[in-house]
Amino acid sequence: QQQVKQSPQSLIVQKGGISIINCAYENTAFDYFPWYQQFPGKGPALLIAIRPDVSEKKEGRFTISFNKSAKQFSLHIMDSQPGDSATYFCAATTGWDSNYQLIWGAGTKLIIKP
Amino acid sequence: DADVTQTPRNRITKTGKRIMLECSQTKGHDRMYWYRQDPGLGLQLIYYSFDVKDINKGEISDGYSVSRQAQAKFSLSLESAIPNQTALYFCATSDSRGGAPNEQFFGPGTRLTVL
Repeated sequence: QQQVKQSPQSLIVQKGGISIINCAYENTAFDYFPWYQQFPGKGPALLIAIRPDVSEKKEGRFTISFNKSAKQFSLHIMDSQPGDSATYFCAATTGWDSNYQLIWGAGTKLIIKP
Repeated sequence: DADVTQTPRNRITKTGKRIMLECSQTKGHDRMYWYRQDPGLGLQLIYYSFDVKDINKGEISDGYSVSRQAQAKFSLSLESAIPNQTALYFCATSDSRGGAPNEQFFGPGTRLTVL
């Protein structure tokens, strides 16, 4: 019940296309859902996050869509660029302002073809 | 990343050796974490610390130990390294007192190979 399942494991998208990465969870107590971006040779860095009281959050070309009833959330990258090529991790946790433990998805390696 | 540093960046060792990975941060954060990353498995939490006197086991603590020498320093030890501990290790920090809740800041990682 603590797992966060992420798909696909890898994704190739043409430049200018839309990249979509999906995550699903079971624990209904999760109340914070971040996405981290990791470039080769670097540690992950927070990209965007959402709480379950909204269904969508957009920051530039990056959008999180959240479906509470389906217990799913997804990352959409619009107008994908080669610089977006990275590994993306979804995560979830409970306790909006106090919890420490993020439950991580397995990661998606995204390649944007020029 | 420059605010969270890890040493060494790469290490090759032999089975049975004791290894220490070190993490330092200049962010002034109170919370620190050690993760390992394996291909296809994402990030797994080894240990975490809320402050100098607070150390907690994560999901995969067996075979590892930690020391929080100061608020800015958190070390991970492998007492007797084995080949299946070959992985990429990350240190991370977070601040319980402000900023985006639960945002974790990662170091550049240490690539450990156990032969």
